[in-house]
Amino acid sequence: AAGVIQSPRHLIKEKRETATLKCYPIPRHDTVYWYQQGPGQDPQFLISFYEKMQSDKGSIPDRFSAQQFSDYHSELNMSSLELGDSALYFCASSHGTLASTDTQYFGPGTRLTVL
Amino acid sequence: DAKTTQPTSMDCAEGRAANLPCNHSTISGNEYVYWYRQIHSQGPQYIIHGLKNNETNEMASLIITEDRKSSTLILPHATLRDTAVYYCIDGAGYSTLTFGKGTMLLVSP
Repeated sequence: AAGVIQSPRHLIKEKRETATLKCYPIPRHDTVYWYQQGPGQDPQFLISFYEKMQSDKGSIPDRFSAQQFSDYHSELNMSSLELGDSALYFCASSHGTLASTDTQYFGPGTRLTVL
Repeated sequence: DAKTTQPTSMDCAEGRAANLPCNHSTISGNEYVYWYRQIHSQGPQYIIHGLKNNETNEMASLIITEDRKSSTLILPHATLRDTAVYYCIDGAGYSTLTFGKGTMLLVSP
């Protein structure tokens, strides 16, 4: 079965640079979630989109922005990168019927390293 | 903050059943119990979920107490590949997942 696709899988950036992470949800899934997992930490929710509209917002820095496009893929844009942004970034998708049983399926993640 | 509590770590012998407990002291009536696991640095993997009845799928069984304040995930025949951090999460599926510390399950030969 098709899974969530994330690209790139690894990314190395310098401080103050920008980065763009991409997420392609499972076909027919219209809800996308972004999570950040720092070293030794548990995944933390950043932001989500349902039908191309922002549906929820977590602890996402103002330097980060995201959007969902007409084909339901999503991009997380990160500017003025800091050393503390080094983390695994996971995207998850679900079939957004807003039913209580909509299950989130995660991608393999993008490992961002800021030097 | 996570609303569930789990033991920090557990050990299990390969081939034996692994029983992972979780306390859901503040779960509300419309929230489901979800279990995910994360094998080192991979994306969290969905295992199973339930509302109030026991559930079983090809990966595991889920036992939820009648008051819904606790649950147990059962891996009937643990293998080395089941070594992972296991998270239990209360919530509606469409809402964000709040991960706690989870239980590090180590399956050994």
